[in-house]
Amino acid sequence: SQQGEEDPQALSIQEGENATMNCSYKTSINNLQWYRQNSGRGLVHLILIRSNEREKHSGRLRVTLDTSKKSSSLLITASRAADTASYFCATDRAGANSKLTFGKGITLSVRP
Amino acid sequence: EAGVTQSPTHLIKTRGQQATLRCSPISGHTSVYWYQQALGLGLQFLLWYDEGEERNRGNFPPRFSGRQFPNYSSELNVNALELEDSALYLCASSLLSGTGINQPQHFGDGTRLSIL
Repeated sequence: SQQGEEDPQALSIQEGENATMNCSYKTSINNLQWYRQNSGRGLVHLILIRSNEREKHSGRLRVTLDTSKKSSSLLITASRAADTASYFCATDRAGANSKLTFGKGITLSVRP
Repeated sequence: EAGVTQSPTHLIKTRGQQATLRCSPISGHTSVYWYQQALGLGLQFLLWYDEGEERNRGNFPPRFSGRQFPNYSSELNVNALELEDSALYLCASSLLSGTGINQPQHFGDGTRLSIL
């Protein structure tokens, strides 16, 4: 079964607005990661949050993790047209040598 | 630092043929991962190699295989190609923590495999 599932599937906002994307998962995890993919390119790692962390910041990105609800959110503040991309959460089940499982992604469109 | 490189960029094959995709990881990275990204299906995990050994394998048939060389580069081989194998194949590399827990992965731009 899919470990990480994002919502919404698609999000369209105006430049300058904030974008919030959510991810839910099913089993206990080691860590949760968020990635971005521009059209036709590979994925770019954005941020990693460990299972014992609740919040993490990186520039305009803020990630929260609620292990009791098995959910995470990615907030992009003051969005820019260049933020237009697909965003994926990825989780690995608790334990060693666990594969990273990606959700189907959220398509974010930022209108100039 | 050079990123993850994949070759070829595009590959066109016909049903029943065999395809070989190549990946060079970032210098110093010992782990290499392969993913299939088909339209509408997200990223599906294929294989994970570290130090030349297979660490984990996704839910794919045995005609998907691979290997990792002593210089940590990797090949993905797909035999008896089927139409549904058409997809973007992504390779990623990472350091491996001593506990075997996943570290951030660095991706190449993929090989677009088209089966006619």
